[in-house]
Amino acid sequence: DAGVTQSPTHLIKTRGQQVTLRCSPKSGHDTVSWYQQALGQGPQFIFQYYEEEERQRGNFPDRFSGHQFPNYSSELNVNALLLGDSALYLCASSSLRDTQYFGPGTRLTVL
Amino acid sequence: TQLLEQSPQFLSIQEGENLTVYCNSSSVFSSLQWYRQEPGEGPVLLVTVVTGGEVKKLKRLTFQFGDARKDSSLHITAAQPGDTGLYLCAGGRNTDKLIFGTGTRLQVFP
Repeated sequence: DAGVTQSPTHLIKTRGQQVTLRCSPKSGHDTVSWYQQALGQGPQFIFQYYEEEERQRGNFPDRFSGHQFPNYSSELNVNALLLGDSALYLCASSSLRDTQYFGPGTRLTVL
Repeated sequence: TQLLEQSPQFLSIQEGENLTVYCNSSSVFSSLQWYRQEPGEGPVLLVTVVTGGEVKKLKRLTFQFGDARKDSSLHITAAQPGDTGLYLCAGGRNTDKLIFGTGTRLQVFP
């Protein structure tokens, strides 16, 4: 049984570019949450998707957007990248009202 | 804003020593999770506590949820080098957003 998978593993972009990160949830899970983890800090909640709708959002600008597909996989899009967007982006999946399980993350570096 | 403060931020100890990590908040959480994270990887769930005063044991790790569900502690007995990592507490309400603590970086030397 595959756990949460994320792609790509690493990504290097330049300021102003756009990036798309992908997440496949654990089998049986229908909810996907995205977190940003800056170096040396705990993860910060970006948003959560359930039934292809954004269910809850953290304190992140509109440059951060997402999507959930009918197969429950999800994408995180970030537009107009800033140096401060460099971080480990984590996807977590769950069944509604249950524990979240994290993927290995995508390391984004913005130059 | 719910904030979770962890202490200490950094801990370097010798193999065989005991340690306790604290996670404190001014807010009440319906549940609290503890995760361990290795460099470059995602957090791995260690335990979930949901009842005030609850104590859970996982081999040499003991987790406690405060009576008021505002704080928690993680105690490791006879630490081993394999315990090295970033320990994160996270509070939430069901599967709403998890509020993560600031993290405790543990280094256990052989």
